[in-house]
Amino acid sequence: GDSVTQTEGLVTLTEGLPVMLNCTYQSTYSPFLFWYVQHLNEAPKLLLKSFTDNKRPEHQGFHATLHKSSSSFHLQKSSAQLSDSALYYCALSRNSNNRIFFGDGTQLVVKP
Amino acid sequence: EAAVTQSPRNKVAVTGGKVTLSCNQTNNHNNMYWYRQDTGHGLRLIHYSYGAGSTEKGDIPDGYKASRPSQENFSLILELATPSQTSVYFCASGEGLGYRSSYEQYFGPGTRLTVL
Repeated sequence: GDSVTQTEGLVTLTEGLPVMLNCTYQSTYSPFLFWYVQHLNEAPKLLLKSFTDNKRPEHQGFHATLHKSSSSFHLQKSSAQLSDSALYYCALSRNSNNRIFFGDGTQLVVKP
Repeated sequence: EAAVTQSPRNKVAVTGGKVTLSCNQTNNHNNMYWYRQDTGHGLRLIHYSYGAGSTEKGDIPDGYKASRPSQENFSLILELATPSQTSVYFCASGEGLGYRSSYEQYFGPGTRLTVL
């Protein structure tokens, strides 16, 4: 079946340092991959998603590269900001159904 | 901008009581979803719908029913609420299948339910 694994439940780092949140997936098909972000007391919202043409999606300084060989879609940013503190979900969807499968989420805490 | 609203935003219920959570979307999306969010478990799918009149079981449907009376509205019903159903519930809408579909889901603001 389809599943997403986020190995880190909590990532704490200092402002200005690079961010990397891990995401691996399992799917029988070639899925679309997403990153959703949820700030405190807000709803989850889409941060970025994979493209079918292998372009690297970028948004708000974050980017992610889909590596089909390793089934990964890690989220990266070169320099963390305090406002990046949030809960981040990796998710996948395949074009044969209407569902999105979410990972358990990674809480990112950026300290001054 | 996509718009999904939920009511109530906060609810305190008693064990054994009936609870109805409502969701409305103005996106004209075919699909709607109900999730619960608990620390350590992320977003878990309870029920979803492909359109008016349809409901499908998600990953954790036990103890919940769903109703989709129209394109815009999708309700989650707890017939006999239990303390284990204390959680934050999110409704979402999304496009259906299709070449141009973005597969993105748009979430409502959430309902915080406490069952005493």
